[in-house]
Amino acid sequence: AQKVTQAQTEISVVEKEDVTLDCVYETRDTTYYLFWYKQPPSGELVFLIRRNSFDEQNEISGRYSWNFQKSTSSFNFTITASQVVDSAVYFCALSEGGGSARQLTFGSGTQLTVLP
Amino acid sequence: EAGVAQSPRYKIIEKRQSVAFWCNPISGHATLYWYQQILGQGPKLLIQFQNNGVVDDSQLPKDRFSAERLKGVDSTLKIQPAKLEDSAVYLCASSLEPSGVSLDFGPGTRLTVL
Repeated sequence: AQKVTQAQTEISVVEKEDVTLDCVYETRDTTYYLFWYKQPPSGELVFLIRRNSFDEQNEISGRYSWNFQKSTSSFNFTITASQVVDSAVYFCALSEGGGSARQLTFGSGTQLTVLP
Repeated sequence: EAGVAQSPRYKIIEKRQSVAFWCNPISGHATLYWYQQILGQGPKLLIQFQNNGVVDDSQLPKDRFSAERLKGVDSTLKIQPAKLEDSAVYLCASSLEPSGVSLDFGPGTRLTVL
């Protein structure tokens, strides 16, 4: 069975600080996908990144970066020079299974508050 | 391109009443999902449709929840009768492909059961 753990329930930082959100996953599949979503107060889930299990290259997109390490089953997300607009709940998710039955399993989320 | 549409955005009902939510996916998206998000938790899949057929409804409480996707486009999720623990945000998502590796989520319907 697949499982995603986000141990940090809430994080609070001051604007311009760097912050890392942790994600640990469990799966028996060798082929799977990992995701990060942002959920601002408006409630809509915003897709940030998708990574497949065969691509361990770290990725950077502007102030966002992701560190995927299969050896520790982790897919951590770092925001550099945080801004107030980054305040939201961030979810890590895992998708496994073949064919049409693939589905997303979400972690419980990390509430990030960036203070001015 | 229009996103996933959901209505209503908010609904307040009393326990034992019935309620229905509507979802219109992105045009051309064959796969549609309903997720339940209880406050403080991540979304949990309730049901997945491929066109108008059910792919996975293993986590749908079928004694009170039902969902349909007639004509393979719009979908309706119904709760009858509602319980207090059904208070949650109900998210609809759609995907162009059945593999589910790229989902577009709607804004959700926030249900409060009193």
